[in-house]
Amino acid sequence: EAQVTQNPRYLITVTGKKLTVTCSQNMNHEYMSWYRQDPGLGLRQIYYSMNVEVTDKGDVPEGYKVSRKEKRNFPLILESPSPNQTSLYFCASSFQGGDGNTIYFGEGSWLTVV
Amino acid sequence: EDQVTQSPEALRLQEGESSSLNCSYTVSGLRGLFWYRQDPGKGPEFLFTLYSAGEEKEKERLKATLTKKESFLHITAPKPEDSATYLCAVQAADYKLSFGAGTTVTVRA
Repeated sequence: EAQVTQNPRYLITVTGKKLTVTCSQNMNHEYMSWYRQDPGLGLRQIYYSMNVEVTDKGDVPEGYKVSRKEKRNFPLILESPSPNQTSLYFCASSFQGGDGNTIYFGEGSWLTVV
Repeated sequence: EDQVTQSPEALRLQEGESSSLNCSYTVSGLRGLFWYRQDPGKGPEFLFTLYSAGEEKEKERLKATLTKKESFLHITAPKPEDSATYLCAVQAADYKLSFGAGTTVTVRA
């Protein structure tokens, strides 16, 4: 079954304590990305990756890091989380180019920073 | 900067009452326009991709259309199970994806 898997799904953490949200896809997709979703603002792109070792900033990259060392994994790193990073986070993946460019989303990770 | 604006923010319909959602956009080199359905606490679920003005796609009670400046999602004779937030997104030539804030549709029986 085609899947994008995120972990953890729910996390409460304290300001400044480094955390990593993992994302893995089993579809051999080149393109992966991270979004945060906040009420009234919709989904905003944090970072994206077009292939292994290729990453780029989205609209709201401040306070986040990513890496793409393997095609299937795209972890999101919060080096020093702050309360304004409390949000619902989604990882997504897709093939690049061609017809039927379908994007698959994970189930989401609820993050609360206190 | 790419922009996507959806209207209305919320839509309350009676079962069987057809309506349309709007997505207006500005983008540098449109690779594709996407519509998604999102249920509370879940990830967006892909509905349609539209690539060029004049294109239309249909799926059950939903029909998506595209012009050079906007897209419409028409809901024909909706049922309560069509209640969800509908998201519109555009993908630019550089593969960057920009989302609208969504329209929350509530269909009452």
